[in-house]
Amino acid sequence: AQSVTQLGSHVSVSEGALVLLRCNYSSSVPPYLFWYVQYPNQGLQLLLKYTTGATLVKGINGFEAEFKKSETSFHLTKPSAHMSDAAEYFCAVSLTSGTYKYIFGTGTRLKVLA
Amino acid sequence: DGGITQSPKYLFRKEGQNVTLSCEQNLNHDAMYWYRQDPGQGLRLIYYSQIVNDFQKGDIAEGYSVSREKKESFPLTVTSAQKNPTAFYLCASKQGATTEAFFGQGTRLTVV
Repeated sequence: AQSVTQLGSHVSVSEGALVLLRCNYSSSVPPYLFWYVQYPNQGLQLLLKYTTGATLVKGINGFEAEFKKSETSFHLTKPSAHMSDAAEYFCAVSLTSGTYKYIFGTGTRLKVLA
Repeated sequence: DGGITQSPKYLFRKEGQNVTLSCEQNLNHDAMYWYRQDPGQGLRLIYYSQIVNDFQKGDIAEGYSVSREKKESFPLTVTSAQKNPTAFYLCASKQGATTEAFFGQGTRLTVV
């Protein structure tokens, strides 16, 4: 069965520092992977996705993520944090075949310190 | 504009009552989803539907029911059997198994 693990429910970084949010997945078949951002009392907005091809994926707002099959990871990074990045971030996995089931991790709340 | 509409945004329910949350999409997506969000628990899948007149249970389906009579609509009923229904509920849709999901703005349900 597919699953997603996000290490660290809360992460704090200083403004201008590197952001690293971790995501590991478990899947019996090659997965499609996604990162979303959620601001308070709102729905989720897609940041970036990996389907096939280049394993380094660039998204909106300066975020990027690298798919590492050997490590079953899809960590999200941003070189320099901005105050507006403070939000909750979710990693999600979708299988490439057989089912439309779409599973999310437990989320990481990012705090940016001035 | 295409998108997903959830209504109402806030909903209050008395204990013992059933309540139905609305989700409508005009994106022509085949698949639709309902998630429940609680602090520290992320998004947990309640039900999903890949096609009209078909749906599958997710990880926490007990106390909930759905229908998919039309492609654009996927209402969720929170029944009195759901022991702790107070939560933020999110509806989503996607086209195909490999694409990203699009989300509504959510409904916050409070049992009073």
